[in-house]
Amino acid sequence: GQQLNQSPQSMFIQEGEDVSMNCTSSSIFNTWLWYKQDPGEGPVLLIALYKAGELTSNGRLTAQFGITRKDSFLNISASIPSDVGIYFCAGQDYGGSQGNLIFGKGTKLSVKP
Amino acid sequence: NAGVTQTPKFRILKIGQSMTLQCTQDMNHNYMYWYRQDPGMGLKLIYYSVGAGITDKGEVPNGYNVSRSTTEDFPLRLELAAPSQTSVYFCASSYKGLGQPQHFGDGTRLSIL
Repeated sequence: GQQLNQSPQSMFIQEGEDVSMNCTSSSIFNTWLWYKQDPGEGPVLLIALYKAGELTSNGRLTAQFGITRKDSFLNISASIPSDVGIYFCAGQDYGGSQGNLIFGKGTKLSVKP
Repeated sequence: NAGVTQTPKFRILKIGQSMTLQCTQDMNHNYMYWYRQDPGMGLKLIYYSVGAGITDKGEVPNGYNVSRSTTEDFPLRLELAAPSQTSVYFCASSYKGLGQPQHFGDGTRLSIL
């Protein structure tokens, strides 16, 4: 089946630093979504991308839908302690399987104050 | 602001016992999903439903059953609990399947001993 490669697996950064993480796929997606999961909670949607080349911001977060439709990245600028959590990318293709989401394995972000 | 509500939050089962994980949403979403999340892994789709009375298998359906008698509710049943089903289970919903982000509940942490 389809798989997403999300990297890095984990990051330890200093407060105030910028963060970048990405996802790549062997096949094309029509939608890319980025979620954040805090401990003991469900994933919360951060950004949704619907068009190749699309660049979308949500506060200090910026995500892009790759031109090839096989990748996406998420940037966090000027990180703060509450950015700690696990970030998941998810891709959706519109063919077969009712367009179900395929999830990456997550990037665990730790921020040192 | 309820969104997607899952009960219970935690449960310990003995091998061979059965139980039902409850999920309800108040957003009038047509699509509902059940995922499991194992440590260090992304979310794997168990079952999904595109509307009341319609369900279909996801990536990892073995050992589980679902029903969708109403738009709001989508319970997940484990008939004969096995240690391999120890996981965190998330329910999600979306208004449509294609091009629509999924909204998640806070999860049910299930241990089979």
